[in-house]
Amino acid sequence: AQSVTQPDIHITVSEGASLELRCNYSYGATPYLFWYVQSPGQGLQLLLKYFSGDTLVQGIKGFEAEFKRSQSSFNLRKPSVHWSDAAEYFCAVGADQAGTALIFGKGTTLSVSS
Amino acid sequence: GAVVSQHPSRVICKSGTSVKIECRSLDFQATTMFWYRQFPKKSLMLMATSNEGSKATYEQGVEKDKFLINHASLTLSTLTVTSAHPEDSSFYICSARRGLAGTDTQYFGPGTRLTVL
Repeated sequence: AQSVTQPDIHITVSEGASLELRCNYSYGATPYLFWYVQSPGQGLQLLLKYFSGDTLVQGIKGFEAEFKRSQSSFNLRKPSVHWSDAAEYFCAVGADQAGTALIFGKGTTLSVSS
Repeated sequence: GAVVSQHPSRVICKSGTSVKIECRSLDFQATTMFWYRQFPKKSLMLMATSNEGSKATYEQGVEKDKFLINHASLTLSTLTVTSAHPEDSSFYICSARRGLAGTDTQYFGPGTRLTVL
């Protein structure tokens, strides 16, 4: 079955510290992988996506993610977290690079402490 | 960037009534719009895909007679929750895709919080 697992429900990171949010997927075909961020009152915003090429992808707001096929993982990282990064983060897998038929993980809530 | 709006942002209704939620692409034409439902602490669940001028395609387990979707123009899709009940209370999110399948990306609306009393 196709699925996305985000093992961490809630993570707290100190401002300025590094961050890694985990994502594992199960998908029968070539996966198109996405990370979205959701802030209160705002729509989901695409941080980055991967569908081919370099397995380390750069996104907006200083985020990056690495695709590891052998581990079926697509973990999101940021070297230095800012207080404004506190939000809900969703990993998703889709049928194409436009995000058709997206399957989302349950999300990870990121809190940033000062 | 592309902007998608939803109206209303929050609605409270009595059990048995119908509620309409609008999703608009403000600065682009959306050939395809998607409707999702989000439960607390749960992932977004795709409910249906709608293409302008044609019937929506519903995901398995979603009642098409309960969740009526209309995509009458390239900038507007509506979701009507008919005869709403408390279990329909949820956060409904739409997204719009600008290009053809396989290109561009989805742009998400801010969501509509539905509470059925």
